[in-house]
Amino acid sequence: EIVLTQSPATLSLSPGERATLSCRASQSVSSYLAWYQQKPGQAPRLLISDASNRATGIPARFSGSGSGTDFTLTISGLEPEDFAVYYCQQSGNWPTFGQGTKVDIK
Amino acid sequence: EVQLVESGGGLAQPGRSLRLSCAASGFTFDDFAMHWVRQAPGKGLEWVAGIGWKSGSTVYADSVKGRFTISRDNAKNSLSLEMNGLRPEDTALYYCAKVCTPRSNWPDAFDSWGQGTLVIVSS
Repeated sequence: EIVLTQSPATLSLSPGERATLSCRASQSVSSYLAWYQQKPGQAPRLLISDASNRATGIPARFSGSGSGTDFTLTISGLEPEDFAVYYCQQSGNWPTFGQGTKVDIK
Repeated sequence: EVQLVESGGGLAQPGRSLRLSCAASGFTFDDFAMHWVRQAPGKGLEWVAGIGWKSGSTVYADSVKGRFTISRDNAKNSLSLEMNGLRPEDTALYYCAKVCTPRSNWPDAFDSWGQGTLVIVSS
């Protein structure tokens, strides 16, 4: 099983600041890495697929990068609605998720 | 608009069975692989099982292999998860999810999710 480790567990930032979230895989997943946002009481929402492709309707302030084992989700200028939990997922034959990073208001 | 509506959750005793269903609409169901993902209360996401768009291929997480069976009825636009030998650690909100790419199994991300159905396993 491919283990995904997200860091930090919690990121405390103010609106307008830049958020940088990390996801590290225990072995190479090529570019098969997705990012999801989840707000309380809601289902997850796909943000990024294939490491860097923004999903339909996702604002340009969300960007993904990386390949192999190290990946980053960047939110360039946090909006109030961006405070949520973010999960990375390797979308291979047996998908796995990271444990999540909570972005909360400082 | 893609809609995924799960049902069938509830309270079950350890060792018993439950069958979850997911009704799909708004897209050509038989063109897309589908998955089940669960989330224990206050915890993160855990992938459970997936089924290919042609229904022949299935994959399972080790934690449910041999106990859960994923299936689909393309004529009814429906996805199912038969859960046998339930354990307390199976307690979770169960989501069905659709992959992004038509006529492709895996790897692929999940671009649409239902709102989930809650399963509680307790005596």
